Amino acid sequence: GGIITQTPKFLIGQEGQKLTLKCQQNFNHDTMYWYRQDSGKGLRLIYYSITENDLQKGDLSEGYDASREKKSSFSLTVTSAQKNEMAVFLCASSIQFYAEQFFGPGTRLTVL
Amino acid sequence: GDKVKQSPSALSLQEGTNSALRCNFSIAATTVQWFLQNPRGSLINLFYLVPGTKENGRLKSAFDSKESYSTLHIRDAQLEDSGTYFCAAEEGNAGAKLTFGGGTRLTVRP
Repeated sequence: GGIITQTPKFLIGQEGQKLTLKCQQNFNHDTMYWYRQDSGKGLRLIYYSITENDLQKGDLSEGYDASREKKSSFSLTVTSAQKNEMAVFLCASSIQFYAEQFFGPGTRLTVL
Repeated sequence: GDKVKQSPSALSLQEGTNSALRCNFSIAATTVQWFLQNPRGSLINLFYLVPGTKENGRLKSAFDSKESYSTLHIRDAQLEDSGTYFCAAEEGNAGAKLTFGGGTRLTVRP
């Protein structure tokens, strides 16, 4: 077994601020993902990384950057926080491309 | 339109009864995952399916890729089954990206 840890659990930022969310997994999974969930909605893919040195844009990448620092960690940066960025950001990992995904507990972002 | 459409959007069940949730796909889904999001927001993996069926306790899921749908059957619903159920489909020619449905909010009442 393993776990996915996301930090921080809650993030409060100012409009226009650059904000970074972190994700760590100890499954030794190759592939990692960042999703955004708006209240009452399904998840939408922001960025994913198939292997350690890879980075791929998802459907919602504009306004975000991502970095796969090492196999176990994947960071997401909100480049300029907007009022409508209030959402939960969920990190996931899978053993490889095309495999079952497992999710972290999420980071809840509020922009003042 | 929605690539993954879940129905119903909300459901209220009496404890001990049975029900079925459904996902219809307008994409060429190759695999399907079902999750339960609990009130704290955590996503719990329920099933990972290639075409076929799987069963786990009171839950059973089926995925028919030719007819482009998946179902999740809940038998003998319990209070702890309450939460939001999401299906997500992997599209064959779109890499490892999951496309999520909008969810079914389930309330099990005593």
